[in-house]
Amino acid sequence: SQTIHQWPATLVQPVGSPLSLECTVEGTSNPNLYWYRQAAGRGLQLLFYSIGIDQISSEVPQNLSASRPQDRQFILSSKKLLLSDSGFYLCAWSVRGHGANVLTFGAGSRLTVL
Amino acid sequence: DQQVKQNSPSLSVQEGRISILNCDYTNSMFDYFLWYKKYPAEGPTFLISISSIKDKNEDGRFTVFLNKSAKHLSLHIVPSQPGDSAVYFCAASGTGGGNKLTFGTGTQLKVEL
Repeated sequence: SQTIHQWPATLVQPVGSPLSLECTVEGTSNPNLYWYRQAAGRGLQLLFYSIGIDQISSEVPQNLSASRPQDRQFILSSKKLLLSDSGFYLCAWSVRGHGANVLTFGAGSRLTVL
Repeated sequence: DQQVKQNSPSLSVQEGRISILNCDYTNSMFDYFLWYKKYPAEGPTFLISISSIKDKNEDGRFTVFLNKSAKHLSLHIVPSQPGDSAVYFCAASGTGGGNKLTFGTGTQLKVEL
């Protein structure tokens, strides 16, 4: 069966510090990968999605970047965190291909920027 | 521009009664709709979905209805149970590549004893 792992689960970082959140998927190949963010009191906002290694699309301009160094690994990074980067970050995967399908989410990473 | 809207941020229902959660969308290119359930500090879990070629899909206590002309969908939970208390997100896909989902802002459902 497929599993998705995301870490760290909780992170408290000062403004201006770097960030690295990691996500890996097991039990599948060539998945689509996604990073979403849930800010306080708001819905889920798509930040990045990837349909393959080094194929990453950014949905909104922001202080963050994403990388996919391996097929089943997706990394969310920042060189200098802002207060507004605080939120609950969710990695997700889906079967690659056209047509609609279900996204499966990880447990999330809570980031607090102070 | 919020393409998927859930106008009720919260809903309170008594145990055993019906819960109805609503969702509206603006993009007529959406062709697949999903509901997710989310507990605090956890990732959302998939609940039920519906294709735009259908107007109803049922799975146990959960039924999703789609009204394409009104660009409206709803999730019915019957009977509601305390364990159903969670945030429910409506999502839609169908535009662009990557099977992206566009989510609503969520409705907090509380099922009371």
